Amino acid sequence: GESVGLHLPTLSVQEGDNSIINCAYSNSASDYFIWYKQESGKGPQFIIDIRSNMDKRQGQRVTVLLNKTVKHLSLQIAATQPGDSAVYFCAENEGNYQLIWGAGTKLIIKP
Amino acid sequence: NAGVTQTPKFQVLKTGQSMTLQCAQDMNHEYMSWYRQDPGMGLRLIHYSVGAGITDQGEVPNGYNVSRSTTEDFPLRLLSAAPSQTSVYFCASSFRTGDYEQYFGPGTRLTVT
Repeated sequence: GESVGLHLPTLSVQEGDNSIINCAYSNSASDYFIWYKQESGKGPQFIIDIRSNMDKRQGQRVTVLLNKTVKHLSLQIAATQPGDSAVYFCAENEGNYQLIWGAGTKLIIKP
Repeated sequence: NAGVTQTPKFQVLKTGQSMTLQCAQDMNHEYMSWYRQDPGMGLRLIHYSVGAGITDQGEVPNGYNVSRSTTEDFPLRLLSAAPSQTSVYFCASSFRTGDYEQYFGPGTRLTVT
């Protein structure tokens, strides 16, 4: 199957600033895109998802943007807090029951 | 609710040994799955189940078996452990098949020597 990739392995952000985590995908047939957060030593935790017929979806302090023209997905975190430190994964669903995961971006919060 | 529980948390095996990783959920979730996570990589799906008595293969099923005799339990069996199976294993569940909000267990760190 096709894979989901991430532009940057590590992102450092000042506490209080906004964070933008990017993800590129290659399968234009994917119908759902999902963001997960994984804190050190724990299992991944669902953040937000977006269907392929949408461009934008907002949650609590997070916004996901989908650009199907360039096959790009981003997760924006507003007013980044120390508790946001984690590895963030994007994943896609290709229309079956399986998720294809990217390699992850580590978000580091600077005090 | 305890959510998704996994046992053991850590395990060391010798090459050729077999073992079962346990996974249970108490949320009456229909869908359950097993993933492995290797350093610097995303999760890869091993097997999944869309209900009791129904299982199917994911992306990397070789060397693993699963069964789903009840809604709650979804054990993963390693038939003959190999060093390439050294990884962190996560079990996950979701309310319905196709629901992408999956709930993950704390993981089992397996080392095969």
